[in-house]
Amino acid sequence: GAVVSQHPSWVICKSGTSVKIECRSLDFQATTMFWYRQFPKQSLMLMATSNEGSKATYEQGVEKDKFLINHASLTLSTLTVTSAHPEDSSFYICSARDLVASSYEQYFGPGTRLTVT
Amino acid sequence: AQSVSQHNHHVILSEAASLELGCNYSYGGTVNLFWYVQYPGQHLQLLLKYFSGDPLVKGIKGFEAEFIKSKFSFNLRKPSVQWSDTAEYFCAVKGAGTALIFGKGTTLSVSS
Repeated sequence: GAVVSQHPSWVICKSGTSVKIECRSLDFQATTMFWYRQFPKQSLMLMATSNEGSKATYEQGVEKDKFLINHASLTLSTLTVTSAHPEDSSFYICSARDLVASSYEQYFGPGTRLTVT
Repeated sequence: AQSVSQHNHHVILSEAASLELGCNYSYGGTVNLFWYVQYPGQHLQLLLKYFSGDPLVKGIKGFEAEFIKSKFSFNLRKPSVQWSDTAEYFCAVKGAGTALIFGKGTTLSVSS
């Protein structure tokens, strides 16, 4: 089945530093990847839609200069949290849509827990 | 704007009890509907999906859901839950855009 990986699975960083999270589709190509944020015991909030070779589309209220998204290839998208602050601490989840499959099913990564101290 | 509402925040059941989790969405056009499950410490997994055709959809692990267009609903059901069904359940809809919009989730706790 389709597998999406994320790296790292857990990261702790100091306030003011930047953190990069990778999302990879391991056995399929994904023109579109999505980045979500999940707070404890809450739903997934879509942050942005990432399309290979073009700029990401951010949801209302998401700071594009703070959450930099790059989708340089059909199997890799990265989310960089710049100048992280404690309020950015959260669980970040990516998902990818199979280029070949006709369905709109998305495959989710295991998530990255970010803790900013 | 599209939205998804899940009526139950936390459901507590005993093993063998029947389960129904409510999900309503707001979007007047063609929708694709999904139920995802997140077991403790694990990532989201697809339980079932509806795109078209038979409104009664069967998924994995004995789950099923019924799409009722007139009610904008896509409720999840299971006739007899097991302790291993303890998890967070999310309803999601894909409408006009490509992204999925998720409901707030329902925590299911099953006691043995």
